[in-house]
Amino acid sequence: SQKIEQNSEALNIQEGKTATLTCNYTNYSPAYLQWYRQDPGRGPVFLLLIRENEKEKRKERLKVTFDTTLKQSLFHITASQPADSATYLCALGSSNTGKLIFGQGTTLQVKP
Amino acid sequence: GAVVSQHPSWVICKSGTSVKIECRSLDFQATTMFWYRQFPKQSLMLMATSNEGSKATYEQGVEKDKFLINHASLTLSTLTVTSAHPEDSSFYICSARWTGTQPQHFGDGTRLSIL
Repeated sequence: SQKIEQNSEALNIQEGKTATLTCNYTNYSPAYLQWYRQDPGRGPVFLLLIRENEKEKRKERLKVTFDTTLKQSLFHITASQPADSATYLCALGSSNTGKLIFGQGTTLQVKP
Repeated sequence: GAVVSQHPSWVICKSGTSVKIECRSLDFQATTMFWYRQFPKQSLMLMATSNEGSKATYEQGVEKDKFLINHASLTLSTLTVTSAHPEDSSFYICSARWTGTQPQHFGDGTRLSIL
């Protein structure tokens, strides 16, 4: 069955450092992959979408890579700030159905 | 842009009550809307996919008579939890997508508590 794993439930880093979050998947060939941010008690907020034929996407301090051979996506936040503290979700998308399958999320804590 | 509004944000009601949750795309037309459920410390689980003007497609294990979905227009979908019981208490979140592989944009969720 399809499986998505995000690295460790929690990640603690110092302000100013780069946070790197991992999303690995098995038994699936997604057409695209999305990263979302979710704050407690709120809905997910869309951050970045990367398609299967793209290697890397950037948006301001965010960078996503997508390796379909390794079946892995890396999500980087450079110059991290305490305001970046949240849970980050990766989601795999199917071009046929448009459905998303979500990972369990990684909670990032950026300490001042 | 891409704002999705979900209402109400929280509901507390007695067992046996039916509860309706609305999901609106405010600045774009959503050909497809999705309904998710999220338990504490867990990820989002897709309940159903709804396309405007057609019947919703439910995921395995989701009772369609229990969770009624209506997608009457390109900007509005509703989820009605019928005869709700305490085990239906959860965080329900909708999302909307314009078309194709465009990202899903999410509402802020509805916290449902059944006493």
